[in-house]
Amino acid sequence: DSGVTQTPKHLITATGQRVTLRCSPRSGDLSVYWYQQSLDQGLQFLIQYYNGEERAKGNILERFSAQQFPDLHSELNLSSLELGDSALYFCASSPSGAAVNTGELFFGEGSRLTVL
Amino acid sequence: SQQGEEDPQALSIQEGENATMNCSYKTSINNLQWYRQNSGRGLVHLILIRSNEREKHSGRLRVTLDTSKKSSSLLITASRAADTASYFCATDPLTTDSWGKLQFGAGTQVVVTP
Repeated sequence: DSGVTQTPKHLITATGQRVTLRCSPRSGDLSVYWYQQSLDQGLQFLIQYYNGEERAKGNILERFSAQQFPDLHSELNLSSLELGDSALYFCASSPSGAAVNTGELFFGEGSRLTVL
Repeated sequence: SQQGEEDPQALSIQEGENATMNCSYKTSINNLQWYRQNSGRGLVHLILIRSNEREKHSGRLRVTLDTSKKSSSLLITASRAADTASYFCATDPLTTDSWGKLQFGAGTQVVVTP
């Protein structure tokens, strides 16, 4: 158990819909990262938050947004869903948001999104 | 885009044998990490090697890093059926805007048969 909690574990929805994925980082970790894992794209970094502020952006679509709340939990919002958005979405946390020598990330078990 | 590329894509071995997988990357790094993922589960950190280190051991794992060739290898000795998983290398790029956004390779799928 990494200490990172993600909900829901599974989600099935239709194209055009909007979903929210939730992540609670390990106790004390200030950084939250979101990754998307799909068969064709592999693991893609989406976005990082550190202590409530956006710190880095990766391959995140404009239809996707995220935020980190004062209690440090984070939500990833996916809207106008398309078939290609079907993937495993992982949240990870780490103690710091330092630019160098980040150290390991602690991953949650993921939220599996299926768009029909 | 993926920074690391693992080789081979898949590896099938018998219990007791060693498993070796390689990772190549493109840009300078702060560190390189190896993660393991059981089917459909979250990734678990295995080992981190910093750019100024050449070799590191952890239990049955041995990692090497050659920054001149931009490559790393992960060796699992005396493999067990429980080692069946996908293994990913991840690089922490040495860029001012990296902010620790690890970049993962496509992974090596390892199957260990009893």
